[in-house]
Amino acid sequence: ETGVTQSPTHLIKTRGQQVTLRCSSQSGHNTVSWYQQALGQGPQFIFQYYREEENGRGNFPPRFSGLQFPNYSSELNVNALELDDSALYLCASSLGYEQYFGPGTRLTVT
Amino acid sequence: AQSVSQHNHHVILSEAASLELGCNYSYGGTVNLFWYVQYPGQHLQLLLKYFSGDPLVKGIKGFEAEFIKSKFSFNLRKPSVQWSDTAEYFCAVNNPFWAGGTSYGKLTFGQGTILTVHP
Repeated sequence: ETGVTQSPTHLIKTRGQQVTLRCSSQSGHNTVSWYQQALGQGPQFIFQYYREEENGRGNFPPRFSGLQFPNYSSELNVNALELDDSALYLCASSLGYEQYFGPGTRLTVT
Repeated sequence: AQSVSQHNHHVILSEAASLELGCNYSYGGTVNLFWYVQYPGQHLQLLLKYFSGDPLVKGIKGFEAEFIKSKFSFNLRKPSVQWSDTAEYFCAVNNPFWAGGTSYGKLTFGQGTILTVHP
């Protein structure tokens, strides 16, 4: 157990809808990163938040957005869902270079 | 852009066999290197890490990895695998100077190696 929690565990949405995924970071960790893991692939970096500011972004379109709150928890929002957005979404919290992952949210877009 | 390549997609071994999983990365600057493991139904867990110093690092559960800078490699090894080592293993690289001084950097992952150990 890493102390990083994510909700919900599973989610089914329809193409075109919007979704919000949530992450609570490990106590004391001020940085949260989000990753997308498609089936059979390694996690791909979406973006990172450090002290409530976006601190870097991977190769994902603007319809992927996020927030970090004063308690360092975070949200990932995806608008206009596409079938290819079906994946496991991982949140990782960190204080330094080591990132600790939550269990993920499995998103299925139909 | 940095990339990470894992040589084998699926490795099948019998218990007590030795294991070596290959990992190569493309970035030529300073890097931090990690191996993560994902057991069936569980979340990604850090197995071991290399930041600096002795290039042979030891992790949990008897795993070790060797950083060879000249080969851009960070191979994972275990002398004798157990059935409980069945899992997916990911190599990851972090460039600690990416995206500004306040960032600890993103992780770039390989595509993963599924290890199946038969009893």
